[in-house]
Amino acid sequence: GAVVSQHPSWVICKSGTSVKIECRSLDFQATTMFWYRQFPKQSLMLMATSNEGSKATYEQGVEKDKFLINHASLTLSTLTVTSAHPEDSSFYICSARRDRNEKLFFGSGTQLSVL
Amino acid sequence: SQQGEEDPQALSIQEGENATMNCSYKTSINNLQWYRQNSGRGLVHLILIRSNEREKHSGRLRVTLDTSKKSSSLLITASRAADTASYFCATETSGSRLTFGEGTQLTVNP
Repeated sequence: GAVVSQHPSWVICKSGTSVKIECRSLDFQATTMFWYRQFPKQSLMLMATSNEGSKATYEQGVEKDKFLINHASLTLSTLTVTSAHPEDSSFYICSARRDRNEKLFFGSGTQLSVL
Repeated sequence: SQQGEEDPQALSIQEGENATMNCSYKTSINNLQWYRQNSGRGLVHLILIRSNEREKHSGRLRVTLDTSKKSSSLLITASRAADTASYFCATETSGSRLTFGEGTQLTVNP
């Protein structure tokens, strides 16, 4: 099956720093990638939808200036958490798919801990 | 209220028993999907059922969809300890948005 690689798998950073998370589709071209965050024992909350070559569509309540998403190519999307604070600590997961009506392939997630 | 509410929140069974999880949703959907997540890991797609389908099978998995009741169920037959995980339903609506339910934590005791 298709593989989505997410890196890093975990990161610890100081408050105020920025963290970049990468999501790559390794063996297919992803027209759309999605970014989710998940708090412990909770569901995944969609943060934004990223289409290659265009601006990301953010969900209501998600600060676009804080969570910068770039989808510069059909195989790579990045999420940058700017000026991270302890409340940004969470599990971030990306997913990707080739076309609409196809299933999603998920990355293995990134555990972000902000001290 | 949120799309994709699941019950039970937690389910504990013995190996060999069947596990049934339910999912309800509120809006019209294009399809409904079930995913599995092991603790601290990404999600694995299990099965997708389209809005015009009523039942689908994949190995030990059986999914039903009742669009009149806006509900779906996932049945895992002959469960194994390795099936222990969180299971999420996700509904896809127009605009290709995928909304996840709260999940069911399944524990299969050996």
